[in-house]
Amino acid sequence: EAQVTQNPRYLITVTGKKLTVTCSQNMNHEYMSWYRQDPGLGLRQIYYSMNVEVTDKGDVPEGYKVSRKEKRNFPLILESPSPNQTSLYFCASSLWARATGELFFGEGSRLTVL
Amino acid sequence: TQLLEQSPQFLSIQEGENLTVYCNSSSVFSSLQWYRQEPGEGPVLLVTVVTGGEVKKLKRLTFQFGDARKDSSLHITAAQPGDTGLYLCAVTDGSGNTGKLIFGQGTTLQVKP
Repeated sequence: EAQVTQNPRYLITVTGKKLTVTCSQNMNHEYMSWYRQDPGLGLRQIYYSMNVEVTDKGDVPEGYKVSRKEKRNFPLILESPSPNQTSLYFCASSLWARATGELFFGEGSRLTVL
Repeated sequence: TQLLEQSPQFLSIQEGENLTVYCNSSSVFSSLQWYRQEPGEGPVLLVTVVTGGEVKKLKRLTFQFGDARKDSSLHITAAQPGDTGLYLCAVTDGSGNTGKLIFGQGTTLQVKP
């Protein structure tokens, strides 16, 4: 089954404790991206990757890091989480970036930072 | 200021009713997508419209792209409880070279049995 898989789905952590949210897609997509979804603010892009070893900042990259060592994986790293990073996070992938924007989303990771 | 304004923000209706939700902007877009997000899940693409004036149908859902490619509407006929969810419109940012989608705030639809 074609899918984007995120882990963990739910996480409660404390300020400053490094964490990684993994994302994996099995569709051989070139393009991957991370979004966060917050009430009243909608979905906002954090980082994106056009292909292996090519990553770039989205609209709200502060406090996050990403890597794209393999085509299928695009982990999101919070080096020192803070309460304002409490949010619902979505990983998404697309066959390629220069298309009509058809994204396949994972099921989301709900993160709470205390 | 939101690039995409969706209205209404919330809609609660009875099963069998018809409804229309809107996605408006002052900018012109080469294409526009509609997604539906169910509770606890990620958004799922419903349709992409590309041509001004284009109308696409997906079972009981009818999507229209404005003639000037600045707005779009989604009409649901005879809504069912399974239509409940958050409906999001989205457009590709700028030249499209970043693959970034800009989303509207969404319309939350509740269809009561």
